[in-house]
Amino acid sequence: GQNIDQPTEMTATEGAIVQINCTYQTSGFNGLFWYQQHAGEAPTFLSYNVLDGLEEKGRFSSFLSRSKGYSYLLLKELQMKDSASYLCAVPNSGYALNFGKGTSLLVTP
Amino acid sequence: DTAVSQTPKYLVTQMGNDKSIKCEQNLGHDTMYWYKQDSKKFLKIMFSYNNKELIINETVPNRFSPKSPDKAHLNLHINSLELGDSAVYFCASSQEGESGNTIYFGEGSWLTVV
Repeated sequence: GQNIDQPTEMTATEGAIVQINCTYQTSGFNGLFWYQQHAGEAPTFLSYNVLDGLEEKGRFSSFLSRSKGYSYLLLKELQMKDSASYLCAVPNSGYALNFGKGTSLLVTP
Repeated sequence: DTAVSQTPKYLVTQMGNDKSIKCEQNLGHDTMYWYKQDSKKFLKIMFSYNNKELIINETVPNRFSPKSPDKAHLNLHINSLELGDSAVYFCASSQEGESGNTIYFGEGSWLTVV
């Protein structure tokens, strides 16, 4: 099976930087995804990492270490609109993604 | 020009009823999914459907059945609804080879069973 762990909640201040960690256990690694989900809305794709290292995309970056089974999502210059749930996911043996339980991020003024 | 659309968005129904949620994608994707998000916000795969191959999550009760009339549609039919079926159901789709099979979600269907 697969095991995906991420913190349940985090709080950060507007303008700051926050790092959301994810550890995973899976057989046959096929990449790691991060999604953002605002309350009452659908999850939306943020990033996909299949190789080790940091992928930067604007204010958001995602890091992967396959040997450690570890990823993080880095959010810079936090804005109030970044308050959302952030979901780490890995492909399962079929076609689908298995998601972690999500990290609820609250950005405060 | 919504990519993945599902209806209805909100559904309130009584225990024991049978209901369906419809889903359509206009992305030309080969694979469609149904996910369930419970009150604790845990997003869990229910079904994957690819080129007429159905992959079922073994924890899904057989009261739930997906029906795919064609590649662009995957509907979810639920028999004998129970209180515990109350959740948000997300339809999604993906295309193999596109950014590692990135999944795109519909807006969700909020089901409340009373």
